[in-house]
Amino acid sequence: DQQVKQNSPSLSVQEGRISILNCDYTNSMFDYFLWYKKYPAEGPTFLISISSIKDKNEDGRFTVFLNKSAKHLSLHIVPSQPGDSAVYFCAAETDSWGKLQFGAGTQVVVTP
Amino acid sequence: DAGVIQSPRHEVTEMGQEVTLRCKPISGHDYLFWYRQTMMRGLELLIYFNNNVPIDDSGMPEDRFSAKMPNASFSTLKIQPSEPRDSAVYFCASSPVWGRHYEQYFGPGTRLTVT
Repeated sequence: DQQVKQNSPSLSVQEGRISILNCDYTNSMFDYFLWYKKYPAEGPTFLISISSIKDKNEDGRFTVFLNKSAKHLSLHIVPSQPGDSAVYFCAAETDSWGKLQFGAGTQVVVTP
Repeated sequence: DAGVIQSPRHEVTEMGQEVTLRCKPISGHDYLFWYRQTMMRGLELLIYFNNNVPIDDSGMPEDRFSAKMPNASFSTLKIQPSEPRDSAVYFCASSPVWGRHYEQYFGPGTRLTVT
């Protein structure tokens, strides 16, 4: 069963505006979360991560927020650029094993 | 380095046929992973190897699926016989170190269509 869920399969945003991608998880043992980005015909590449001891991690235009009580995390992209158009995967791992559990992905389209 | 290399990039086959997907990991990486991507379930880990030895194959969906890693620079994922529900994108990834927080490097994937 899906322990990492991305309920929005797609998101369209105007260039320069904020993109907000959401991810929910069910396993309270998850304590490290990652976002991967995937362009067509390419494999996913690591984007940003966050440990469960933090509630925010920022890297340039990308910020990930974690709400442990709600078992929810989000990725903010500000400002959105056309090159950000891609599929974004949320992933989680537990302390006892390094396997990654991925969500189904969210397709982001940034329009001019 | 050339990154993780997968072949073929696209494969179309008929139900019942054998399919073999190939992967060359990044040189020096000790860990190799096979994933499957579907619309409904996203990326699922099928199996992973450490130093050419299969460590965990709990994600392999059925006995029709098998994977080998005869040496540090080559791995195969075989489906025999193939079925339409096996249609998906299959990714290979490698990592220099297993464990927490370590980045996995993905290949471009093989898009498999079983008719």
